Amino acid sequence: EDQVTQSPEALRLQEGESSSLNCSYTVSGLRGLFWYRQDPGKGPEFLFTLYSAGEEKEKERLKATLTKKESFLHITAPKPEDSATYLCAVQGGWGDYKLSFGAGTTVTVRA
Amino acid sequence: GAVVSQHPSWVICKSGTSVKIECRSLDFQATTMFWYRQFPKQSLMLMATSNEGSKATYEQGVEKDKFLINHASLTLSTLTVTSAHPEDSSFYICSARRQVPYEQYFGPGTRLTVT
Repeated sequence: EDQVTQSPEALRLQEGESSSLNCSYTVSGLRGLFWYRQDPGKGPEFLFTLYSAGEEKEKERLKATLTKKESFLHITAPKPEDSATYLCAVQGGWGDYKLSFGAGTTVTVRA
Repeated sequence: GAVVSQHPSWVICKSGTSVKIECRSLDFQATTMFWYRQFPKQSLMLMATSNEGSKATYEQGVEKDKFLINHASLTLSTLTVTSAHPEDSSFYICSARRQVPYEQYFGPGTRLTVT
């Protein structure tokens, strides 16, 4: 069974204070690792898909990286509007390709 | 990015009635859509996988007779909560999978309150 563990559970940052979120996973045949951002009362917003170890993707202040066992989401010089819950999910290569989600990391950025 | 819509965004209904939630992929075709439920401060719980033109696949513990799913076309899936009870009150979110690139997009969610 696919498993995803995200850490830390919560992260409080000062504006401009860069940090990283961790997503550790075990999966049979990784088809893709996904990062989403979710604001309270809204559906998850797609950020990135990573397919293979060594891959990196960037979007504004966010950068996602992938190894064979974990992924990191780096937030560079965060702003208050980056406050959200960040969800990591994996999709295995077998069966019906369901996403397995981690519990999320709630990031709060103070001005 | 791809857009998935849900309607309604919130609904209040009386116990014993049925409620239908629509999920549409607006700018791409989705042979597969998913329905999730989310409780406060928890992650998403997959309820069922919906494939266009075939019966939905339900996760263990999800009552298929209570949560009716229909994937009528490549852009529309519906979730009907039948004989709703207060314990069905929750945040329901759909998602649609795009083939190229292989990505999954979520709708904005529907807040259901059963009184």
